[in-house]
Amino acid sequence: LAKTTQPISMDSYEGQEVNITCSHNNIATNDYITWYQQFPSQGPRFIIQGYKTKVTNEVASLFIPADRKSSTLSLPRVSLSDTAVYYCLVGDRRGGKLIFGQGTELSVKP
Amino acid sequence: ETGVTQTPRHLVMGMTNKKSLKCEQHLGHNAMYWYKQSAKKPLELMFVYNFKEQTENNSVPSRFSPECPNSSHLFLHLHTLQPEDSALYLCASSQVLGDTDTQYFGPGTRLTVL
Repeated sequence: LAKTTQPISMDSYEGQEVNITCSHNNIATNDYITWYQQFPSQGPRFIIQGYKTKVTNEVASLFIPADRKSSTLSLPRVSLSDTAVYYCLVGDRRGGKLIFGQGTELSVKP
Repeated sequence: ETGVTQTPRHLVMGMTNKKSLKCEQHLGHNAMYWYKQSAKKPLELMFVYNFKEQTENNSVPSRFSPECPNSSHLFLHLHTLQPEDSALYLCASSQVLGDTDTQYFGPGTRLTVL
């Protein structure tokens, strides 16, 4: 499975756009990029998944360049409640495993 | 509320105790998972069940014994645990085995082994 590298922590302020970049140099042809969010003392929650270019849903956008060796999760206008750990995962969309790394601890300040 | 419930939410036990963690999903999913999350460490996949059959044991010590009586319920039986087993134990389910975009997690059981 492709290994991912993302910043350990990030700080932001309410109302700002936050971009978290994940590197996955060894991504395979069949791999998808998936992001999960975890609040303290809760289980992770699926945010968004993509294969290439751009994916957008009601929560976030995911930008994937043509070489797919990195991806960027974009959270528009964050609020205090977006303070959480964000995990980038790479693997088969079906029949794959969720292999979690250290994640990025996002702290949103007033 | 994700449709996956876990009980108890908190558990303190001694090394000689026997206890069980329970997970129930109300989503009609066919696959269920146990994960372990230790402090400052990534989540680790422990066991996977598909249609009540265990499909994966990720080299978990035998002091952890899973049970899946039906597709909606998953148990983790604990006995003679060690202090290093203290962690957050998370249950998850998905419609299809190995789905990476539709795994729903429960709130977890915070386990402390004294």
